[in-house]
Amino acid sequence: GQQVMQIPQYQHVQEGEDFTTYCNSSTTLSNIQWYKQRPGGHPVFLIQLVKSGEVKKQKRLTFQFGEAKKNSSLHITATQTTDVGTYFCAKRGKLIFGQGTELSVKP
Amino acid sequence: GAVVSQHPSWVICKSGTSVKIECRSLDFQATTMFWYRQFPKQSLMLMATSNEGSKATYEQGVEKDKFLINHASLTLSTLTVTSAHPEDSSFYICSARAGEGTGELFFGEGSRLTVL
Repeated sequence: GQQVMQIPQYQHVQEGEDFTTYCNSSTTLSNIQWYKQRPGGHPVFLIQLVKSGEVKKQKRLTFQFGEAKKNSSLHITATQTTDVGTYFCAKRGKLIFGQGTELSVKP
Repeated sequence: GAVVSQHPSWVICKSGTSVKIECRSLDFQATTMFWYRQFPKQSLMLMATSNEGSKATYEQGVEKDKFLINHASLTLSTLTVTSAHPEDSSFYICSARAGEGTGELFFGEGSRLTVL
């Protein structure tokens, strides 16, 4: 089935550093969604990207959808301890999740 | 946003017993709900799609006789883990979509099952 691969699996940063997670698919995606799951919590929807080359921003978070609609990225500028958690990309439909990137932030 | 409530949050049971987990959409109707399973430090694995008034659709490799899903109303889906064994210990999460819109899924708080 159509899978989405996500890298890196883990990322440890110093507070204030930037962070990026990447999501890749071998086939064209009609859309991609991003979720955040805090430790011990449940996933929370962040955003959906639909258009080729789309870029959306939410405060310090920047989401991109590749021109070929086969990859996507989430970039966090100047991380804060509140950014800690696991970030998942997911393909809409039955919502198949990527493996997730676990972000830890050292104060 | 829409609210999905899941109960219980924690459950410990003996091997061989059955456990029922409830998933409720509190402020919207959900014709479709999804059940996921998550192991520590791993992603969410879709188990099945629960359809109101009809049989659930199970993903490949998920035993439908083991994980019974019932979606009796537009606001309630239940997952019953039958004859639970220690390997069934996991974090089970349900989700639902409140209308087509952005396709955003709203997740329940999850249920952590421990089978002794």
